[in-house]
Amino acid sequence: GPKVLQIPSHQIIDMGQMVTLNCDPVSNHLYFYWYKQILGQQMEFLVNFYNGKVMEKSKLFKDQFSVERPDGSYFTLKIQPTALEDSAVYFCASSLDWGGTGQLYFGEGSKLTVL
Amino acid sequence: GDSVTQTEGLVTVTEGLPVKLNCTYQTTYLTIAFFWYVQYLNEAPQVLLKSSTDNKRTEHQGFHATLHKSSSSFHLQKSSAQLSDSALYYCALDTGYQNFYFGKGTSLTVIP
Repeated sequence: GPKVLQIPSHQIIDMGQMVTLNCDPVSNHLYFYWYKQILGQQMEFLVNFYNGKVMEKSKLFKDQFSVERPDGSYFTLKIQPTALEDSAVYFCASSLDWGGTGQLYFGEGSKLTVL
Repeated sequence: GDSVTQTEGLVTVTEGLPVKLNCTYQTTYLTIAFFWYVQYLNEAPQVLLKSSTDNKRTEHQGFHATLHKSSSSFHLQKSSAQLSDSALYYCALDTGYQNFYFGKGTSLTVIP
């Protein structure tokens, strides 16, 4: 089936540094998402993105977070600066349809450890 | 607010026996859809089942679920668990506004 690729699969960085998580969504998909999952907890919505813009973001999407998809390349999540509580697995997802029929296709996640 | 609750974090069942994973929800949206996602070890979550029709049974790969709006539930069931069913299962609510709410997930282990 359709694949979403995430790079890197693991990243360890020091608190205060910048990190960029990359997502290569399904090629004809139009809607992109980031979810955050802290170990032992549920996946929580961070942000969705369509047509070059953030459509909706949650309270977890702090000012230090940003997303973009320059020129149809990777959909990226940037955290600058990072904090200890940013340690989690970040899942990227994409979908073709809007509202009710949209099935999410997930990547395998990027595990971020902030020391 | 909108939320999805999966009461069991861990479920262990013997191969060949039935299994049920619970999912209840709370939402103010009227037009909703539900998904069960399954995540095998070191793989991405993928859709197992989906439904938006009240009281209609949905089946796939031996699993079935029925959306019951009267009880706000979308439990996942299988009559005979297989070793290959061991995985992490997420119940998810699609409010129709491109915001999906996930439960905490239930880790299912099937033992011989």
